[in-house]
Amino acid sequence: EVQLVESGGGLVQPGGSLRLSCAASGFTFSSYDMHWVRQATGKSLEWVSTIGTAGDTYYSDSVKGRFTISRENAKNSLYLQMNSLRAGDTAVYFCARMSFDFLIGYMDVWGKGTTVTVSS
Amino acid sequence: DIQMTQSPSSLSASVGDRVTITCRASQTIRNYLNWYQLKPGKAPKLLIYTASSLQSGVPSRFSGSGSGTDFTLTISTLQPEDFATYYCQQTYTSPGYTFGQGTKLEIK
Repeated sequence: EVQLVESGGGLVQPGGSLRLSCAASGFTFSSYDMHWVRQATGKSLEWVSTIGTAGDTYYSDSVKGRFTISRENAKNSLYLQMNSLRAGDTAVYFCARMSFDFLIGYMDVWGKGTTVTVSS
Repeated sequence: DIQMTQSPSSLSASVGDRVTITCRASQTIRNYLNWYQLKPGKAPKLLIYTASSLQSGVPSRFSGSGSGTDFTLTISTLQPEDFATYYCQQTYTSPGYTFGQGTKLEIK
């Protein structure tokens, strides 16, 4: 079964750090671009970060310089290191796999998410 | 940045109804448009990709159309399990994909 399972969320104080993990199974993890997407309570989905198959990384302006995405293909795992956390980072964080139809990308596999709460 | 605007933001309907949700992009995105269904505590589910292609395993009552800036998601005959929140997403600008603000579909 193709599956993504996030972990590592929790309660952290402003300015603190947290590392999220996403375990992939059922597909060739190394062949896919992977993403982190978040959703704050009552808000829409927000793209956070992408890592390509070659290890190229991209970030939204809201997290650039504070978050680092990485992958470990040997362990079929995706990570998000989150530093200098702010209240505005409070959200459910999803990892997602991207597939392509010719050049058009779509996120076809998602995890159930892990909750990050930034509060004192 | 490309802005995605969905309408309506919420919708009340009954089982068996036909429902249409629209999504408008602030500039042309050709057919780089996907639709997702979200339910609390569950993984988001891809319904439609490239504006009109039905994802494998998704019931045929879901359909998508449009190109350029205007897109629609239609549910032909609402089922109880369809009450959820729906999001459109553009992947024309890569990366930096943006989502619509969502449409919450509720039982009337």
